[in-house]
Amino acid sequence: AQKVTQAQTEISVVEKEDVTLDCVYETRDTTYYLFWYKQPPSGELVFLIRRNSFDEQNEISGRYSWNFQKSTSSFNFTITASQVVDSAVYFCALSEARRNTDKLIFGTGTRLQVFP
Amino acid sequence: DSGVTQTPKHLITATGQRVTLRCSPRSGDLSVYWYQQSLDQGLQFLIQYYNGEERAKGNILERFSAQQFPDLHSELNLSSLELGDSALYFCASSGLNEQFFGPGTRLTVL
Repeated sequence: AQKVTQAQTEISVVEKEDVTLDCVYETRDTTYYLFWYKQPPSGELVFLIRRNSFDEQNEISGRYSWNFQKSTSSFNFTITASQVVDSAVYFCALSEARRNTDKLIFGTGTRLQVFP
Repeated sequence: DSGVTQTPKHLITATGQRVTLRCSPRSGDLSVYWYQQSLDQGLQFLIQYYNGEERAKGNILERFSAQQFPDLHSELNLSSLELGDSALYFCASSGLNEQFFGPGTRLTVL
């Protein structure tokens, strides 16, 4: 069965600290996609990244970086030098490309609070 | 701005009523997805349409139904509403496996 686990319910940091949000997934498929979304207090879901199962290269985008490790079924997200504007709920999600749908299975989210 | 539009932004109604949520996908996207975000269930997939046809169904109640019209906009109909249906309902559309979400409709059932 497909499942996404975000064990960290809430994380609080002070500005400029680095923070890593954990994501562990379960799937029986060999082809799948992993996503991260940000949900700021305003409520919308903002797409951050998509990674396919065949690409284990880490990705960096500004202060954001993602570490994908198939060996541990993890897709962790690191924010470097966090800022107050990073305060949001972050969701990790999984979709399986083989089936006739690419619906997203979401984790329960991690609420990040960055204090000045 | 994701390019996905949803109306209305807020909806307040009473138990037993019926409401319709509307979604317009990004230009060119054929797939529309509906998700429900509630405090107790988290973010859950409800249903997907592709070019007018139902593609996949998730944990969608029988009181809920959806359709996608020839112009590709979609409507989610919620009937016999209960207090527990209060949630944020998101619509998303996708091109090449990237789903972009609308701003959501916050439904409050009193």
